[in-house]
Amino acid sequence: EVQLVESGGGLVKPGGSLRLSCAGSGFSFSNTWMNWVRQAPGKGLEWVGRIRDGGATDYAAPVKGRFTISHDDSLNTLSLQMTSLKTEDTAVYYCATDARYPYYDSLTGFSHFYAMDVWGQGTTVTVSS
Amino acid sequence: DIQMTQSPSSLSTSVGDRVTITCRASQGIGSSLNWYQQKPGKAPKLLIYAASSLQSGVPPRFSCSGSGTEFTLTISSLQPEDFATYFCQQSYSIPYTFGQGTKLEIK
Repeated sequence: EVQLVESGGGLVKPGGSLRLSCAGSGFSFSNTWMNWVRQAPGKGLEWVGRIRDGGATDYAAPVKGRFTISHDDSLNTLSLQMTSLKTEDTAVYYCATDARYPYYDSLTGFSHFYAMDVWGQGTTVTVSS
Repeated sequence: DIQMTQSPSSLSTSVGDRVTITCRASQGIGSSLNWYQQKPGKAPKLLIYAASSLQSGVPPRFSCSGSGTEFTLTISSLQPEDFATYFCQQSYSIPYTFGQGTKLEIK
């Protein structure tokens, strides 16, 4: 069974840094695309970023240049390094797999649909002075 | 960025009701549309991917239709465990974006 467990959340002052971890079991991060998604208190879901196999990353505009996603294959752990934290970064942070569902289209050929099929339980980050 | 708009934002319903939630994309996304269910204090759960494919284990009372810019999630007969918040999400292009959510409440 695929499982994800986040850790590393806590209280940090504005301008500070924090590193979140996401431990995976039942699969290998080396060939799994992974996302970070956050949810501010009482708000909706916001995609933070993604790491693809090979290590290429994509980020949402509000965190680009401040957050870095990486994974350690030997520990099967995904990380989110957060720097220059702002009060608006306060949220529950989830890691989630980015499942790829192949399909064939007669016009465009082979491609994939993507969906976040396995989620961790979340870890809370509070940025406050 | 592709904007996702859900309606309604909340719905007061009863067990056994048929419920429809709409999700509109600001531009065409083909069938790259997913639906998630979230209960209070819990992580989201994938219900439907690729606009109409039920995730394994999701009961068949959930269905989805649409393509391009307009999609609907239908729950044919609401059960007590279905009272939750539902989010649509486009996976057509980065950045992934979510709708604002639809909260189903007990009437």
